[in-house]
Amino acid sequence: EAGVAQSPRYKIIEKRQSVAFWCNPISGHATLYWYQQILGQGPKLLIQFQNNGVVDDSQLPKDRFSAERLKGVDSTLKIQPAKLEDSAVYLCASRQTSGGARVGELFFGEGSRLTVL
Amino acid sequence: GESVGLHLPTLSVQEGDNSIINCAYSNSASDYFIWYKQESGKGPQFIIDIRSNMDKRQGQRVTVLLNKTVKHLSLQIAATQPGDSAVYFCAERVSNTGKLIFGQGTTLQVKP
Repeated sequence: EAGVAQSPRYKIIEKRQSVAFWCNPISGHATLYWYQQILGQGPKLLIQFQNNGVVDDSQLPKDRFSAERLKGVDSTLKIQPAKLEDSAVYLCASRQTSGGARVGELFFGEGSRLTVL
Repeated sequence: GESVGLHLPTLSVQEGDNSIINCAYSNSASDYFIWYKQESGKGPQFIIDIRSNMDKRQGQRVTVLLNKTVKHLSLQIAATQPGDSAVYFCAERVSNTGKLIFGQGTTLQVKP
């Protein structure tokens, strides 16, 4: 079974520029998450989708971050304009919500590492 | 408030010994508590979870203990191996949304 795919793996931009990250979840997983992980810290949830609807985006800085999940499959996370403090790894995860899936089991991609100069 | 934190940033153990990683949580509305393992350059990987109405759950070489009285969670790894070296995160699941809140992480170093 293919895992969660993310791209790009690495991105370096200057502050005030924009960047977009892409995620392809595991086939059939209805729930998709974007997490931000700053070096040395645990992942922080930015946004959670159920199919193509937003379940939780309470910690998404909406003045600069946006995310969408068209057709309930792939998702993109955009930052515009980027700030220095946005330097982090952006992790996408998906979860199966049927068929006896373990409640707490999220499947994570390898992440997209963003460096803002 | 919502927060999950770990007591120790780094734990160093000898290969073959047992490891115990601790976590404190503050949200009483969580229905599941979960442990994840994160190796360098990779995303977190699920290890084991425990429902809030349980106090112990065992897996393969791992045991999770939950003490709701003091809001404490621990992960025990038996016969620790070099492949267990990683950062371990506890997380709690908010029951009404399914949101997972992660703690800060403990680095486990296994000495040969």
